[in-house]
Amino acid sequence: NAGVTQTPKFRVLKTGQSMTLLCAQDMNHEYMYWYRQDPGMGLRLIHYSVGEGTTAKGEVPDGYNVSRLKKQNFLLGLESAAPSQTSVYFCASTGTNTYEQYFGPGTRLTVT
Amino acid sequence: RKEVEQDPGPFNVPEGATVAFNCTYSNSASQSFFWYRQDCRKEPKLLMSVYSSGNEDGRFTAQLNRASQYISLLIRDSKLSDSATYLCVVSGFSGAGSYQLTFGKGTKLSVIP
Repeated sequence: NAGVTQTPKFRVLKTGQSMTLLCAQDMNHEYMYWYRQDPGMGLRLIHYSVGEGTTAKGEVPDGYNVSRLKKQNFLLGLESAAPSQTSVYFCASTGTNTYEQYFGPGTRLTVT
Repeated sequence: RKEVEQDPGPFNVPEGATVAFNCTYSNSASQSFFWYRQDCRKEPKLLMSVYSSGNEDGRFTAQLNRASQYISLLIRDSKLSDSATYLCVVSGFSGAGSYQLTFGKGTKLSVIP
């Protein structure tokens, strides 16, 4: 039982490049979330999903897209990376009978 | 006004000390309250939920005052392993049908030998 996993763990992009971050959970959770964490800013919600095939915008969605084609996976895409997207990205999931969110180990992204 | 506010610290305390963290939240409709712990360069993990009646888990005691919209965490007999950032978290129901968590920026604790 791996919990929540994220790939890749680290990535360096140049401005304008694109990439996809993958989040996978094996707990059969309905809800999944993508956050970014910046120094002095705390965790901020980018997008979330309440079930397979659904997505919704969070607090800071601009510049990101997401997809939830399978219940266990939640993908975060950056179509044209910008230096302002340099951050640590955390994925989280939770089930319908709990408020506790389980986090993945994070992806450290640097955009130069 | 920020939704969840915490003193960023750092709090530097000697081993064995008692330390208290405070947090205020702005949304009176918030439904659930938590403290998460985040170690350096790691993901946040749930430390404990917070109830109006107060709750205790070993050396940790959490309190909630809904009227004042105030949450606290007390750590007694601090250990070196308690060194981490403590995140105050509140949850509420989103329009899309799920509970969302709003995180404070965290309070950093360093326990010194």
